[in-house]
Amino acid sequence: AQTVTQSQPEMSVQEAETVTLSCTYDTSESNYYLFWYKQPPSRQMILVIRQEAYKQQNATENRFSVNFQKAAKSFSLKISDSQLGDTAMYFCAFTSGGGADGLTFGKGTHLIIQP
Amino acid sequence: DAGVTQSPTHLIKTRGQQVTLRCSPKSGHDTVSWYQQALGQGPQFIFQYYEEEERQRGNFPDRFSGHQFPNYSSELNVNALLLGDSALYLCASSVTYNEQFFGPGTRLTVL
Repeated sequence: AQTVTQSQPEMSVQEAETVTLSCTYDTSESNYYLFWYKQPPSRQMILVIRQEAYKQQNATENRFSVNFQKAAKSFSLKISDSQLGDTAMYFCAFTSGGGADGLTFGKGTHLIIQP
Repeated sequence: DAGVTQSPTHLIKTRGQQVTLRCSPKSGHDTVSWYQQALGQGPQFIFQYYEEEERQRGNFPDRFSGHQFPNYSSELNVNALLLGDSALYLCASSVTYNEQFFGPGTRLTVL
């Protein structure tokens, strides 16, 4: 069974700083997908970024980028120039299917951006 | 284009009762997945429906059942409610082999 571990329950940074959220996973699969989802107080789960395991290049979406270390089974999220609107729960998620199978989530990291 | 919608927003039930939650997928999506998110936890996968069939199931008892209709909308049914079933229930839709889009969730409270 796959597991996803987020070891930082809460993080707090100042606005405009860069912050990195950690995620490790365990799987015996060779083909899989990794995701970071953001859940603000409104509860709406929003996809931030995705990474296909077969791609060596790290995914980037504007201020969000990942550091994908396949051998170490590590998938961290870096948020540059953090903004107040980035305050939310962030969940790392994994699926071994085609990307639309059931997701396995970590317990989340509560990120607080201070003004 | 409407995203994923869920109803109701909130629901209060008592132990032993049955509940039905509803989900309408994003336009063009044919796959619906359901998740349970307990307070302070990450979502847990319940099951996924595709072509009106349960395609995948997580580690949930048979008290949790579902259905998908020809228009791809879906229902989640929970029988014999327990206090531990209190949670946020999230629906996500997708086109096969693509990313999942989540709805706003239904908050279920079991007293």
